[in-house]
Amino acid sequence: QVRLVQSGAEVKKPGASVMLSCKASGYIFTSCYLHWVRQAPGQGLEWMGMINPVGGSTSYAQKFQGRVALTRDTSTSTVSMELRSLTSDDTAVYYCARDCTNLKWFDLWGQGTLVTVSS
Amino acid sequence: QSVLTQPPSVSAAPGQKVTISCSGSSSNIGRNYVSWYQQPPGTAPRLLIFENNRRPSGIPDRFSGSKSGTSVTLGITGLQTGDEADYYCGTWDSSLSAVVFGGGTKLTVL
Repeated sequence: QVRLVQSGAEVKKPGASVMLSCKASGYIFTSCYLHWVRQAPGQGLEWMGMINPVGGSTSYAQKFQGRVALTRDTSTSTVSMELRSLTSDDTAVYYCARDCTNLKWFDLWGQGTLVTVSS
Repeated sequence: QSVLTQPPSVSAAPGQKVTISCSGSSSNIGRNYVSWYQQPPGTAPRLLIFENNRRPSGIPDRFSGSKSGTSVTLGITGLQTGDEADYYCGTWDSSLSAVVFGGGTKLTVL
């Protein structure tokens, strides 16, 4: 079954970091880029960045430069996203999404992970 | 403020047709492919249209996409109550070097 399965919900305090994971199955992991998109409560979609599973090269939205890091483990077909220096504005559902053409459209999404930042 | 502009909401009766617009600029829609996503409440987005007007397998032909200059339009015919959802357009912005989305349009089927 082709799917992306994300790690569970997280609750963090302001200033902390969070690491989320996205495990791919049912397709060749290295054949598709993986992106991260977040959605704050009641808000729209916001792109954070992408990773090429082949060499691990990354590209990040300017807004998150220096605060986000994407890594991949080809042995487990998993991409991880670390977001540092969390604030309440980072409270959101975080999605990973697959892009198999590098044309920046996403045909497969994870189920989403809720991150709550609260003191 | 979103880089791509969508109407906040649209509505129509069951069986009718609705269109959702998405406008951008020469650095995004004007030079790159656009995709559309459907997001019912509490669920992950689902790809509806890619490369401006192509439908993934499993998406009915009631859904269509078109592009003209720096704007795109999503059309939905034969509206069903199950079509109620938020709809987002997205594309690459060559100036920002980022994927950008519209603010989303809430479709209500009256």
